[in-house]
Amino acid sequence: AQRVTQPEKLLSVFKGAPVELKCNYSYSGSPELFWYVQYSRQRLQLLLRHISRESIKGFTADLNKGETSFHLKKPFAQEEDSAMYYCALEPAWGSSNTGKLIFGQGTTLQVKP
Amino acid sequence: DTGVSQDPRHKITKRGQNVTFRCDPISEHNRLYWYRQTLGQGPEFLTYFQNEAQLEKSRLLSDRFSAERPKGSFSTLEIQRTEQGDSAMYLCASSRGGGSEAFFGQGTRLTVV
Repeated sequence: AQRVTQPEKLLSVFKGAPVELKCNYSYSGSPELFWYVQYSRQRLQLLLRHISRESIKGFTADLNKGETSFHLKKPFAQEEDSAMYYCALEPAWGSSNTGKLIFGQGTTLQVKP
Repeated sequence: DTGVSQDPRHKITKRGQNVTFRCDPISEHNRLYWYRQTLGQGPEFLTYFQNEAQLEKSRLLSDRFSAERPKGSFSTLEIQRTEQGDSAMYLCASSRGGGSEAFFGQGTRLTVV
């Protein structure tokens, strides 16, 4: 079964603290992994994707195929990082490229001053 | 705003009524996706189009749901004989395809009373 699991509904940290949002996936092939973010009253938008290997807004994510994880990390959280974060998987990436995404349930990140 | 546009933003309907939502994708995007998001969950894939062709439908899309993209531009999602379980946020996204980024609309929130 294709599944994305984000075990934490809410993660609350103080400004300046490190952040790690967990994401585990279940998929037998070679997926592409994404992190999407939704700020208050804004639309869902792409934060970063595995294939780009980029750091966006200080966030990075490493794909660990052995542990089937794609955790999102930031060394020093900022108040403006407060948002809902969704991990997503695109199955069979590279062969069919449907663009269809399977999302996790989301984690609310709350950064306190 | 030149992003993905959805109309209406909110819809309240009585159980048993039919509703139709519209999505206008970014103009040069040939792929269009519909997702449904219920409270506390991530978006769930419903269906997608490449140009005017509907290429995949989720099992979530019961016989009461139909989607069209008649000229490969805007798309409509119709729900017939609405049920309370249809209450959700309906999201539309578009992309150029070929592994490119999907851009989301702000969604249509449906409440069935």
